[in-house]
Amino acid sequence: EADIYQTPRYLVIGTGKKITLECSQTMGHDKMYWYQQDPGMELHLIHYSYGVNSTEKGDLSSESTVSRIRTEHFPLTLESARPSHTSQYLCASSGSVMAHTEAFFGQGTRLTVV
Amino acid sequence: DAKTTQPNSMESNEEEPVHLPCNHSTISGTDYIHWYRQLPSQGPEYVIHGLTSNVNNRMASLAIAEDRKSSTLILHRATLRDAAVYYCILPSGAGSYQLTFGKGTKLSVIP
Repeated sequence: EADIYQTPRYLVIGTGKKITLECSQTMGHDKMYWYQQDPGMELHLIHYSYGVNSTEKGDLSSESTVSRIRTEHFPLTLESARPSHTSQYLCASSGSVMAHTEAFFGQGTRLTVV
Repeated sequence: DAKTTQPNSMESNEEEPVHLPCNHSTISGTDYIHWYRQLPSQGPEYVIHGLTSNVNNRMASLAIAEDRKSSTLILHRATLRDAAVYYCILPSGAGSYQLTFGKGTKLSVIP
């Protein structure tokens, strides 16, 4: 079983609210990632981190921000939620460069902004 | 970045073997071939990966063509739980590799 957890699993929130999606892993992995996936569509990388105090933007532009203050924790924040942010957000981690090992994914947070 | 091509969908009867193909004609010599799957309403899960030789694990087998331009994921006996979208991925990125997901192959398993 993967030891990577996302909370909440489901979130319905009003436009303009600030939200933080939590992602934690207990495997001591340096590498962590956030993906966004609309229903029936592909996953797109929006943020990644290769260690504490390291964050980079992914291929898909996103208005969200991330932080990496502790190895095990990689939260994603939306300062002002909009209906266009409605999507599923998936967090992942890996212990090494992905070419040589597997990545572990959380169950995802399904966000609906009304 | 090397691209992969997979059929959009496939069907299999329960308890029959399934062969999921993937073409990656622009693969480089150092590209690993990864397979992940995503069950409905869940995050992706790792299935298997390899470089040159065929690989086996408890979930599946990976057969890699001699020229590495294609590979096949083999599920030896499909179960209903194997119904998922299967992604063939060549991790790439500026030095540290990222997983770029395409559309994958949606596998349906018929009871």
